[in-house]
Amino acid sequence: NAGVTQTPKFQVLKTGQSMTLQCAQDMNHNSMYWYRQDPGMGLRLIYYSASEGTTDKGEVPNGYNVSRLNKREFSLRLESAAPSQTSVYFCASSERDRDYGYTFGSGTRLTVV
Amino acid sequence: AQSVTQLGSHVSVSEGALVLLRCNYSSSVPPYLFWYVQYPNQGLQLLLKYTSAATLVKGINGFEAEFKKSETSFHLTKPSAHMRDAAEYFCAVSESGGYQKVTFGTGTKLQVIP
Repeated sequence: NAGVTQTPKFQVLKTGQSMTLQCAQDMNHNSMYWYRQDPGMGLRLIYYSASEGTTDKGEVPNGYNVSRLNKREFSLRLESAAPSQTSVYFCASSERDRDYGYTFGSGTRLTVV
Repeated sequence: AQSVTQLGSHVSVSEGALVLLRCNYSSSVPPYLFWYVQYPNQGLQLLLKYTSAATLVKGINGFEAEFKKSETSFHLTKPSAHMRDAAEYFCAVSESGGYQKVTFGTGTKLQVIP
């Protein structure tokens, strides 16, 4: 089925460890996004990529880096994980036009101990 | 900066009763507005969107929302709740510009009581 695929679905890290969350979409969308979801705070934008070759910071970028590898793939890296980064992470994609709406992946539940 | 306020983090309705989930927005330009639904342990799914055409927007699963500029509101309604409607609902507003960047509300969890 067409859509946004995120891996892994679950991960437990120790403080200070690093990891990369993978995201791929097969809808030929230009724009891709990484959000984190925390209870009572809704979704907060970490980074986004308006088109292949560009990335920009969102609302909460500290502690994260991203790579837009090609049009399909957009990865999120935690260089040195902290307990404050325990969250559910969602990748999303959309067409460039603002009226299209997002397609979301199923999420990665990350726990940092 | 744009923002969205969802009134009520939890709403409970009886099965068959009217569902009303409230959303107010702030925007300096004509907004594009969205409602998303999130079922447990899943990603968000687009329910409906307002993009400056008809002010009453119909979405999936029998939901609809009405854009009221004078009240800066975009409330979500459904005439008769089903058990399967139990989920978390997010209102969102899109910034202006050549690409889409969306600000989400904090969500409203809908409980449907049998």
